[in-house]
Amino acid sequence: QKEVEQNSGPLSVPEGAIASLNCTYSDRGSQSFFWYRQYSGKSPELIMSIYSNGDKEDGRFTAQLNKASQYVSLLIRDSQPSDSATYLCAVNRWGGGNKLTFGTGTQLKVEL
Amino acid sequence: GAVVSQHPSRVICKSGTSVKIECRSLDFQATTMFWYRQFPKKSLMLMATSNEGSKATYEQGVEKDKFLINHASLTLSTLTVTSAHPEDSSFYICSASAPTSGSTDTQYFGPGTRLTVL
Repeated sequence: QKEVEQNSGPLSVPEGAIASLNCTYSDRGSQSFFWYRQYSGKSPELIMSIYSNGDKEDGRFTAQLNKASQYVSLLIRDSQPSDSATYLCAVNRWGGGNKLTFGTGTQLKVEL
Repeated sequence: GAVVSQHPSRVICKSGTSVKIECRSLDFQATTMFWYRQFPKKSLMLMATSNEGSKATYEQGVEKDKFLINHASLTLSTLTVTSAHPEDSSFYICSASAPTSGSTDTQYFGPGTRLTVL
């Protein structure tokens, strides 16, 4: 079992729809959870971080965390073509030296 | 805030030469910096963790004598690819950890350096 699992996609959604990206993790000691967006040929860019169970909203983005189910998700409302990218889920745990464990990423395509 | 720069953004070198890549945190002090490499359509691979004032910690399978890391200050870490060969051609990305109140640090990534070894 991979430490952080994501569906590689591609996930295709029409413009204006909600895109739902999912991530599961295996280490129950994980404390911090991050979503990064990576455009082709570019480096990752931080989108959201979440540390507590529940939802965290920032503009069109909502991160959801359920530690009991070891599940974290990212919702993108009103998806735009510019949201087309690979979304990386990353987790960290106390005592991990701030190292992140990344999923392989989900490719999102927002179609006109 | 939390801006990380990398230089150069792109480098082409001949086989056998060495290449140095710089990573700087511009508006914060980073006690820890990380170096990753990424092959096309593949995920990020952590190469090493760089701590200011101490030796870097390399991930399994990464040759420390080939990938020299120096973290001389709280805002600068360098990666030197020694005796580069075509198989070292890749996208090298650094990140720097910024403290986050009440939780583990957050990593911010530099723009990356694309290395091509001829």
